[in-house]
Amino acid sequence: AQSVTQLDSHVSVSEGTPVLLRCNYSSSYSPSLFWYVQHPNKGLQLLLKYTSAATLVKGINGFEAEFKKSETSFHLTKPSAHMSDAAEYFCVVSEARGGADGLTFGKGTHLIIQP
Amino acid sequence: AAGVIQSPRHLIKEKRETATLKCYPIPRHDTVYWYQQGPGQDPQFLISFYEKMQSDKGSIPDRFSAQQFSDYHSELNMSSLELGDSALYFCASSPVGRETQYFGPGTRLLVL
Repeated sequence: AQSVTQLDSHVSVSEGTPVLLRCNYSSSYSPSLFWYVQHPNKGLQLLLKYTSAATLVKGINGFEAEFKKSETSFHLTKPSAHMSDAAEYFCVVSEARGGADGLTFGKGTHLIIQP
Repeated sequence: AAGVIQSPRHLIKEKRETATLKCYPIPRHDTVYWYQQGPGQDPQFLISFYEKMQSDKGSIPDRFSAQQFSDYHSELNMSSLELGDSALYFCASSPVGRETQYFGPGTRLLVL
């Protein structure tokens, strides 16, 4: 069975400063890992994904994440925060290769951008 | 690019009523997934369909059922609605290989 732990329920940064959202996972198989973003009253948008190719993954809007198997981590970063980045971010694990269709979501990290 | 379409976007029902949510996947996507997101919660997987057959089952209540049709659209049928069913219901679809799921905008269900 897979699980995801997002280490911070809320992160607050100033506009223009770096963003770090932390995620640890556990999985019985070689997992696929994703970050999704949810703006208020909106759907879930895929930011980036890791599916066993390059360990440093670049996504949309300047976000990137690094898969570290030894640390079972998949932290999301962005060099410079923008006001429009304020949203809920979900780290997600998939074990589709193990036969499980459903994605397992972390509890989410609420990113607050201070002007 | 075409996205997943869900209808209706908002729905208000009374307790013990029934509701039907519809999902139209991205063209050429053959797998559909349903998720439920309660207020302030993370999405929970309910059920999935691949090529019109149930593929996997999550935490879907017995009062709910779903199916996928020949045109790959899917419907989630919810009966004997309870207050606790109030949530955002997402549909997602994925292409062959099923590595990445693309989500629709969701249907917000309010049960009074």
